[in-house]
Amino acid sequence: ETGVTQSPTHLIKTRGQQVTLRCSSQSGHNTVSWYQQALGQGPQFIFQYYREEENGRGNFPPRFSGLQFPNYSSELNVNALELDDSALYLCASSIDRDNYNSPLHFGNGTRLTVT
Amino acid sequence: AQKITQTQPGMFVQEKEAVTLDCTYDTSDPSYGLFWYKQPSSGEMIFLIYQGSYDQQNATEGRYSLNFQKARKSANLVISASQLGDSAMYFCAMRESDYKLSFGAGTTVTVRA
Repeated sequence: ETGVTQSPTHLIKTRGQQVTLRCSSQSGHNTVSWYQQALGQGPQFIFQYYREEENGRGNFPPRFSGLQFPNYSSELNVNALELDDSALYLCASSIDRDNYNSPLHFGNGTRLTVT
Repeated sequence: AQKITQTQPGMFVQEKEAVTLDCTYDTSDPSYGLFWYKQPSSGEMIFLIYQGSYDQQNATEGRYSLNFQKARKSANLVISASQLGDSAMYFCAMRESDYKLSFGAGTTVTVRA
C-alpha cells in the first residue's frame, strides 16, 4: 500500500504571499489532518477533514484553510504569510475518524520558509 | 493546561542498553488513545506503538513497550536493546473524543556506540 505523500518537500515564500501544500492520503484512509511543527517543538493540530468536510480545527486563524477531495487527497492553503508560519507542515491520514484507537499515519512533511 | 508532558528534553543511551522515555497526560475523557511516534532528522513521523485507555495489558511492539499506569496518568515508552538507528526525536501523543492528536514537546534520544 502507498503511504501518505506530500508535496512539495521544501518551499520558500515571501511574507504576504499565499501558499498551497498538497497531500495524498494512504490508500483506504478517509480522514486527513494537518499539523504545524515549529523547529524544536511538537506538532500542533491545524484542522481535520472527513469526507470533504472540516470537522475539527485547532487554534489557527482563518487564513489557514483546507480542502479534501473525493479521492481523499487534501490541500492546505495559507494566505498572507507571516514569518512565524515558517515550519514543517505534516499531513496525516487515518482509516477511521470515529475510532480514536486508529493511529495517524504521517507524510514526510513540507518545510516552509517565509522570508 | 498541557495535555501531554514530556519532561526529558534529551537522553543519551549506550548501544544495546534499554532506555525509558517519560510521558504524563491530562484528560477527563474516559476513552482515549496514547501513541508514541519517532521522528528522525528527515522529518517523517513514524508510528511506534499504541495504548488504549481500556486496555488491561501494556502494549508491546518488537523492541518497544509502553508502561501504562492509568491511575498516575503516565505512558512511558521503553526501548530495549538500543540501536544506532534509534537516535531520533520521540513524541508522546494522545487522541481524545475530538479525534485530534495532542503532542508533547518531545525527547531527543542519542544512542552512543
